[in-house]
Amino acid sequence: GQSLEQPSEVTAVEGAIVQINCTYQTSGFYGLSWYQQHDGGAPTFLSYNALDGLEETGRFSSFLSRSDSYGYLLLQELQMKDSASYFCAVGGYQKVTFGTGTKLQVIP
Amino acid sequence: EPEVTQTPSHQVTQMGQEVILRCVPISNHLYFYWYRQILGQKVEFLVSFYNNEISEKSEIFDDQFSVERPDGSNFTLKIRSTKLEDSAMYFCASSQGSGEKLFFGSGTQLSVL
Repeated sequence: GQSLEQPSEVTAVEGAIVQINCTYQTSGFYGLSWYQQHDGGAPTFLSYNALDGLEETGRFSSFLSRSDSYGYLLLQELQMKDSASYFCAVGGYQKVTFGTGTKLQVIP
Repeated sequence: EPEVTQTPSHQVTQMGQEVILRCVPISNHLYFYWYRQILGQKVEFLVSFYNNEISEKSEIFDDQFSVERPDGSNFTLKIRSTKLEDSAMYFCASSQGSGEKLFFGSGTQLSVL
């Protein structure tokens, strides 16, 4: 089976940096993805790591360590609109399993 | 930008009735998925579909559920006899490669009364 763990809630100040961690256990690992979901909306793809290391896309970066079964999403220069839920997701063969989600609240 | 479209946006049904949720994936995508999300909870995998057949399914996807790609554009999820616990938001998704970047539709909110 597959299981993913991430913190349930994080609060951070506008303009700051926040890191959301994800640890996973899985059989058959293709890569780790991150998705953003605003209340009432659909998940939106943010990043994908298939190999170890850091991937940067604008204000968002994602890191993967396959040997540690660990990854994180780094959000820089936080904006109020970044308040949302963030899900890590493990990609396997034709199946993507989502974590329980981290609700990020950005405060002024 | 291409998008996944889902209809209807809301569906209300009586327990025991059949419902069909419809999705039009992005046209050049090859992999299709259904997920569901109960309010405030995680996004749960139901089923993946590739090359006109089911690739993977979860334990949630029991005999009451079925999927179909009746033509070159639509992808449907049928629930034969709905139960109260089927009430959730159902998301369709598609991807170009297996398990990579998923594009989600805006969802169908199913309410079973």
